Amino acid sequence: DAGITQSPRHKVTETGTPVTLRCHQTENHRYMYWYRQDPGHGLRLIHYSYGVKDTDKGEVSDGYSVSRSKTEDFLLTLESATSSQTSVYFCAISPGQEEKLFFGSGTQLSVL
Amino acid sequence: DAKTTQPTSMDCAEGRAANLPCNHSTISGNEYVYWYRQIHSQGPQYIIHGLKNNETNEMASLIITEDRKSSTLILPHATLRDTAVYYCIVRVYGTASKLTFGTGTRLQVTL
Repeated sequence: DAGITQSPRHKVTETGTPVTLRCHQTENHRYMYWYRQDPGHGLRLIHYSYGVKDTDKGEVSDGYSVSRSKTEDFLLTLESATSSQTSVYFCAISPGQEEKLFFGSGTQLSVL
Repeated sequence: DAKTTQPTSMDCAEGRAANLPCNHSTISGNEYVYWYRQIHSQGPQYIIHGLKNNETNEMASLIITEDRKSSTLILPHATLRDTAVYYCIVRVYGTASKLTFGTGTRLQVTL
């Protein structure tokens, strides 16, 4: 498996609280991505990064922010969590813009 | 973007070939066909991709019709561990940031 670690693996939080999910890679890949997966919607891209401090929005970026201060870490922050953000979050990496993405094991987030 | 159509679910007996179809009738000339799969609760896994020629790797074969409007992913000898959701995606090469996953085909391999 590609060296991708997501933390935490599971989190339960309350509406209105801030939440940060972490993706850590040991592959030195340039691109990192955050997806969310919900029943009936497949995986949807939230944000992605193409280098340190370089990020861009995906399909469903509202309510989320990201940061990448080091090549190996990509953080996803929910500034004020809502119940609609209950989902499974996957991090992915790739060396470039080719479509061979490597995915992490996911974080199950429940917002009550 | 070209849209894809896949059956919601399929069954296959263990040891037999699993043939997963994908329709992409609006595909453009520079769009590739990609296949990923997602085994229960895990992150998706890349399987194979191709433009117009048939492709084979250690996991599967990809057969693309001559008009490129449809393709078939073939798992030659399915095992129980191949039970997963299989996603067919059509994208211009080099646009991973635009990759979108639909709902895919749920393949159930049975004894």
